[in-house]
Amino acid sequence: DTEVTQTPKHLVMGMTNKKSLKCEQHMGHRAMYWYKQKAKKPPELMFVYSYEKLSINESVPSRFSPECPNSSLLNLHLHALQPEDSALYLCASSQVVTGNQPQHFGDGTRLSIL
Amino acid sequence: RKEVEQDPGPFNVPEGATVAFNCTYSNSASQSFFWYRQDCRKEPKLLMSVYSSGNEDGRFTAQLNRASQYISLLIRDSKLSDSATYLCVVNGSNFGNEKLTFGTGTRLTIIP
Repeated sequence: DTEVTQTPKHLVMGMTNKKSLKCEQHMGHRAMYWYKQKAKKPPELMFVYSYEKLSINESVPSRFSPECPNSSLLNLHLHALQPEDSALYLCASSQVVTGNQPQHFGDGTRLSIL
Repeated sequence: RKEVEQDPGPFNVPEGATVAFNCTYSNSASQSFFWYRQDCRKEPKLLMSVYSSGNEDGRFTAQLNRASQYISLLIRDSKLSDSATYLCVVNGSNFGNEKLTFGTGTRLTIIP
């Protein structure tokens, strides 16, 4: 069982909809991440939060808006997405934001844009 | 040259055999290395961290060769449940320590 939980597991939305993905961890980790993964490709980093502050934005389009309400929660707000945004969205956490800490992944939200 | 390179496979290996994967990385300053496995339509799961001295966990052995800038994963007595994609992961090269860089993965299928 994963210690990082993501909801929903599956999401189908139209291009004009607004929805949010949620991620929660209770391991006391202070770094949280959003990744996007397309089929047969490795995960691509989108955002990094360190101590609830945005640390890295990998030039992600503004239709994706991250939010970190507290140290346990990470949200990804979606608005006006495009069909090419259909993918598996993975949340991960690590103790702190340093490269020697492994990241632990949630089981993802599979997003389909109609 | 890619930051992290892996042979994508597929590797089709009979059950009980030994299989090894290599992964090369381009940034000599990289400090941390990991192997993750990912099952079809599932999330990546940490398999092992890779230490300078090498490390072993049951049937799995990971090695680091800094001089040649590669890491390896050896699986002995392979099981059907070892079928997965194995991702080589290296700590950030261009943007500091926060960023982990993933290889494209090596697909392994264990054949009964």
